[in-house]
Amino acid sequence: DQQVKQNSPSLSVQEGRISILNCDYTNSMFDYFLWYKKYPAEGPTFLISISSIKDKNEDGRFTVFLNKSAKHLSLHIVPSQPGDSAVYFCAGSGGTYKYIFGTGTRLKVLA
Amino acid sequence: DTEVTQTPKHLVMGMTNKKSLKCEQHMGHRAMYWYKQKAKKPPELMFVYSYEKLSINESVPSRFSPECPNSSLLNLHLHALQPEDSALYLCASSQEGVYTQYFGPGTRLTVL
Repeated sequence: DQQVKQNSPSLSVQEGRISILNCDYTNSMFDYFLWYKKYPAEGPTFLISISSIKDKNEDGRFTVFLNKSAKHLSLHIVPSQPGDSAVYFCAGSGGTYKYIFGTGTRLKVLA
Repeated sequence: DTEVTQTPKHLVMGMTNKKSLKCEQHMGHRAMYWYKQKAKKPPELMFVYSYEKLSINESVPSRFSPECPNSSLLNLHLHALQPEDSALYLCASSQEGVYTQYFGPGTRLTVL
């Protein structure tokens, strides 16, 4: 049972444009979500989080949007930079220590 | 400082060996985690320690044995592993009541 889905395995975006990464979840008990960036052979790096009581959280070039009714969240990166090229994971939790991770989206930002 | 350190970076072991992975954090976090990640797959939770007590065991085989000697250290003892256990093993930590988990760089384990 895939509770967190990232349906786009890969995404290519031109430098300076917006990158939009999407994530869908099925567990209505999830109340906190995280986005991580991961380079090969490294641990995930925390990017941004959002609580279910909010619909938007912004941190610099990164903005996460949450649509609870659609059980959908998205990460916007503006402007995209070549250094943003990595695999991005979203993860959801229902108030416990246990996070469920999506399968990841590989973002490639073209110079 | 949001650093979680893990040693060794790489480990190759035979199926009869006993080895240990080590994780350390000095952020005062009271929850620590072990994850396993196979290639092109998401991290999968193995164990959670809260206040140095095992809180979650995701039905992990007994050939993996976690240990939390103090609030800063987390070990994963390995014995009689199988080749399919080859993966990236990630450690993470978080504050109590705060959900953001901070990950270490991982140990790349190869079982021959």
